[in-house]
Amino acid sequence: SQQGEEDPQALSIQEGENATMNCSYKTSINNLQWYRQNSGRGLVHLILIRSNEREKHSGRLRVTLDTSKKSSSLLITASRAADTASYFCATDVLAGGVKLVFGAGTILRVKS
Amino acid sequence: SQTIHQWPATLVQPVGSPLSLECTVEGTSNPNLYWYRQAAGRGLQLLFYSIGIDQISSEVPQNLSASRPQDRQFILSSKKLLLSDSGFYLCAWSVQLGIAYEQYFGPGTRLTVT
Repeated sequence: SQQGEEDPQALSIQEGENATMNCSYKTSINNLQWYRQNSGRGLVHLILIRSNEREKHSGRLRVTLDTSKKSSSLLITASRAADTASYFCATDVLAGGVKLVFGAGTILRVKS
Repeated sequence: SQTIHQWPATLVQPVGSPLSLECTVEGTSNPNLYWYRQAAGRGLQLLFYSIGIDQISSEVPQNLSASRPQDRQFILSSKKLLLSDSGFYLCAWSVQLGIAYEQYFGPGTRLTVT
């Protein structure tokens, strides 16, 4: 089964609104990463949060991590049409972190 | 700066034909290399990863194989393609930052087996 499970599977919002995506995982981690994938393209690394961090910001992105609940959330503020993409969380539970386990992703559609 | 190349971008192959997808990385030495497959609308399935030349780990038993003839070259092959091999194939490399490994992906190859 997937280590990371994103929720919701799909999200549709209006431009300017905030988008929140959640990720749950099953085992202890050292860090959790979020990636973005535009349709038909490779994934792009967005942000990494370590297990001893609770919150991290990068531009319009805010990531939180709750290790007690084994969950993370990605918030995109003031969304733009260009944010339309799939978003994946990935955890480093295997092979000393060399291997990442990706969730199934959340498809975000931002309507202009 | 580092770049990763994958080719071809798209490929249509008949069932039973061979396959060779190539991935090369520039601007880094001794990278970890990965092959993933992604079915339509789904997450990534790790197929192979390599931490060095002649060090390749297979994650999923199947009719695919991987080779690393050079430090920055990773090749995915099959002797006979199956319909189920259709998908989007992604190559990636990683670098260690502290205790974490961030992965950087190529543009992908869309394979359709007919």
